[in-house]
Amino acid sequence: DAMVIQNPRYQVTQFGKPVTLSCSQTLNHNVMYWYQQKSSQAPKLLFHYYDKDFNNEADTPDNFQSRRPNTSFCFLDIRSPGLGDAAMYLCATLGANSYNEQFFGPGTRLTVL
Amino acid sequence: KNEVEQSPQNLTAQEGEFITINCSYSVGISALHWLQQHPGGGIVSLFMLSSGKKKHGRLIATINIQEKHSSLHITASHPRDSAVYICAVLNRDDKIIFGKGTRLHILP
Repeated sequence: DAMVIQNPRYQVTQFGKPVTLSCSQTLNHNVMYWYQQKSSQAPKLLFHYYDKDFNNEADTPDNFQSRRPNTSFCFLDIRSPGLGDAAMYLCATLGANSYNEQFFGPGTRLTVL
Repeated sequence: KNEVEQSPQNLTAQEGEFITINCSYSVGISALHWLQQHPGGGIVSLFMLSSGKKKHGRLIATINIQEKHSSLHITASHPRDSAVYICAVLNRDDKIIFGKGTRLHILP
């Protein structure tokens, strides 16, 4: 059973048209992460939540926003996607009681036209 | 200098060879993960280590906390093992720091 679900798996958007990516988890983990991964590079942390406490990386562009309305769901909003935002976006969770085991979603591949 | 260094960056081997991928880190950690990513695919967690050694099938992972070093071994490698293997550490602030990955290609 999938434990970290990302929707959609593939997203195509136009330059400048807002897009929202979603992540849900069935693990009841309190920490959730959003990563951006470009081709042949390591994932880059954009945000993470510890419960509802939001932590923004210093170099995450203002164009990227995130919401976590409850434990299970987390959203990544890209307000005005540019060509440079085309990437794989990965969601991951971490549970305080899971002995630091991380679980990754399958990712959403974003294409910007 | 990156906080998590992996070597080699690229590795090509023949089917059946014993594979070793190394990871060194320079920060205090609460756990170290070995991850696998197939081309265009999502990330799969292989191991989580905080001490010692773990084995799963043909995969073995070890960690030496004092030396801040971990290794991932693949015995009897197979073309389906071809993927990027990523070392990632969980630091004391619950942030995950990734290595740049090792691209493994096993030839039939």
